[in-house]
Amino acid sequence: AVQLTQSPSSLSASVGDRVTITCRASQGISSALAWYQQKPGKAPNLLIYDASTLQSGVPTRFSGSGSGTDFTLTISSLQPEDCATYFCQQFNGYPLFGPGTKVEIK
Amino acid sequence: QVQLVQSGAEVKKPGASVKVSCKASGYSFTNFYIHWVRQAPGQGLEWMGIVNPSGYYTDYTDYARKFQGRVTMTADTSTSTVYLELNNLKSDDTAVYYCARDADFRYYFDYWGQGTLVTVSS
Repeated sequence: AVQLTQSPSSLSASVGDRVTITCRASQGISSALAWYQQKPGKAPNLLIYDASTLQSGVPTRFSGSGSGTDFTLTISSLQPEDCATYFCQQFNGYPLFGPGTKVEIK
Repeated sequence: QVQLVQSGAEVKKPGASVKVSCKASGYSFTNFYIHWVRQAPGQGLEWMGIVNPSGYYTDYTDYARKFQGRVTMTADTSTSTVYLELNNLKSDDTAVYYCARDADFRYYFDYWGQGTLVTVSS
């Protein structure tokens, strides 16, 4: 079965910084990857699907890239409201989520 | 606008059952699968299964292997509501349970319910 890992597990960055989160699949999943943002006490929110397609209404500072086994989520200029946990999810088969990356503001 | 509104928090004893509801509005209910995902306190997200509310395959379901035999997902098209029932509850079933709409039959999720906390404690 496919396994997903994310790195780092947490990070602290300043407002305006460029932030990159990595998701790695244990076997190739083509571009069947989504990214979600989850704030404390809230449901996840879809940011990116098909590895690089921005969901409607999501700010353009969020972007995704990759295919096969290696994927990245980039926040081009970190904003205070981006403080959250980010999960990747593969959908090449049954859904499976990565363990998450917690993003904090320095 | 698309909304998924879930039932309220539950407290159950070990061995009991729980039934959580998810009422959909703002879209054609039978045209989209609904999934259930849970999140234990401070933990990640775990997919539980899917229900297809379409009348073509009445209550088509598929469950994660971990929950087979213990979970039932159903849909009521007359009220645009899907249900999750989990039996023989254990303490490690304590979690927030989310319903989520499938995006375009692709098994990722474009809209989520607000979550329902189920606490299992003696």
